[in-house]
Amino acid sequence: DAGVIQSPRHEVTEMGQEVTLRCKPISGHNSLFWYRQTMMRGLELLIYFNNNVPIDDSGMPEDRFSAKMPNASFSTLKIQPSEPRDSAVYFCASIVGLAGVSNTDTQYFGPGTRLTVL
Amino acid sequence: KQEVTQIPAALSVPEGENLVLNCSFTDSAIYNLQWFRQDPGKGLTSLLLIQSSQREQTSGRLNASLDKSSGRSTLYIAASQPGDSATYLCAVPSGGGADGLTFGKGTHLIIQP
Repeated sequence: DAGVIQSPRHEVTEMGQEVTLRCKPISGHNSLFWYRQTMMRGLELLIYFNNNVPIDDSGMPEDRFSAKMPNASFSTLKIQPSEPRDSAVYFCASIVGLAGVSNTDTQYFGPGTRLTVL
Repeated sequence: KQEVTQIPAALSVPEGENLVLNCSFTDSAIYNLQWFRQDPGKGLTSLLLIQSSQREQTSGRLNASLDKSSGRSTLYIAASQPGDSATYLCAVPSGGGADGLTFGKGTHLIIQP
């Protein structure tokens, strides 16, 4: 299996521009997570989906952030407009399972997208 | 709100030493606890997952223990090697299933050859 695939791996943009990050979960996984990692705050959960439905988006920092999962094999995280403080590494992860249902598996992480907003 | 703390933040030891990394969490009502490894510029790799009903899990030179009542977990690395150099993160889920994880900030480990 190819694992979780994220694109692009690196993104450099200017403040005010729209940024779209993409994720392809592992085939057969029905839950998908977006995390953000910074030096100051560490790894933080932004949003997650079960069966393409958003379950908890309380970690999304502002209305400038939005995420979609139009089908089981694709998700996007969009930032519009971007700001320098959005600079971070954004990770996508996937798992087989549902929120609140006992699970013994671990989440599988993609390699991340390093975003730099100038 | 669950908070996860890892001590120490950084650790540098000579090769061959046994070492212990610590993790504490504020809400003991967890279903499991996971330890991950992160190499520079890479994603996270799962090392061990301990269910709340378990006291410990072992994988090769790694042993993780869990004490729910005290809100603590330790990761023991035996006979450390330079290849063990990485950042080690512990995490607990917000629920019992496929729920989001709350992470500690990690322990940056350097094993000197």
